[in-house]
Amino acid sequence: KQEVTQIPAALSVPEGENLVLNCSFTDSAIYNLQWFRQDPGKGLTSLLLIQSSQREQTSGRLNASLDKSSGRSTLYIAASQPGDSATYLCAVGDDKIIFGKGTRLHILP
Amino acid sequence: SAVISQKPSRDICQRGTSLTIQCQVDSQVTMMFWYRQQPGQSLTLIATANQGSEATYESGFVIDKFPISRPNLTFSTLTVSNMSPEDSSIYLCSVRAGPGEQFFGPGTRLTVL
Repeated sequence: KQEVTQIPAALSVPEGENLVLNCSFTDSAIYNLQWFRQDPGKGLTSLLLIQSSQREQTSGRLNASLDKSSGRSTLYIAASQPGDSATYLCAVGDDKIIFGKGTRLHILP
Repeated sequence: SAVISQKPSRDICQRGTSLTIQCQVDSQVTMMFWYRQQPGQSLTLIATANQGSEATYESGFVIDKFPISRPNLTFSTLTVSNMSPEDSSIYLCSVRAGPGEQFFGPGTRLTVL
């Protein structure tokens, strides 16, 4: 059974810092890994999708990497801004996706 | 990508009643998914809704409690039946578009008194 773990559960950093969010999964036979952002009381916004044959994806200040052999993914956020404050969720799977519990990120102005 | 809308955005309901949540997608999709997010928790898949067939429910979820309709390729409903305070959650629908990317609706925040 696939399990997804995200560390840390919460993170507060000063504005402008670069940061890394971690995601690990137990079953390396995954199809896709997707990072989402969720603002309080809101739905999910897709940030990056890494397909199983890919190693990383980049969008603006965000970079996500995937290492299937070690069962890990990282989301790198460069030059953090207060607007980046949200919960970041990692999810693995194809049609049925399994979510981690998320990392609550707070960027201090 | 896919643009998804949900109705209602939020509701407060009495114990024992039922609520039907609607999900509309701006393009035709084969599968639609319904998730629940309990307070302070991550998302859990309730069921997969295919057009023209019965929904497929995940362990711990049953059709009598969460009946689903899928009348066409752009629309689905989820009913939360005989509600109790434990059903207070955010309910989200999602679709898969393109090479595996999933898109989510804005969610329906349900509070059961």
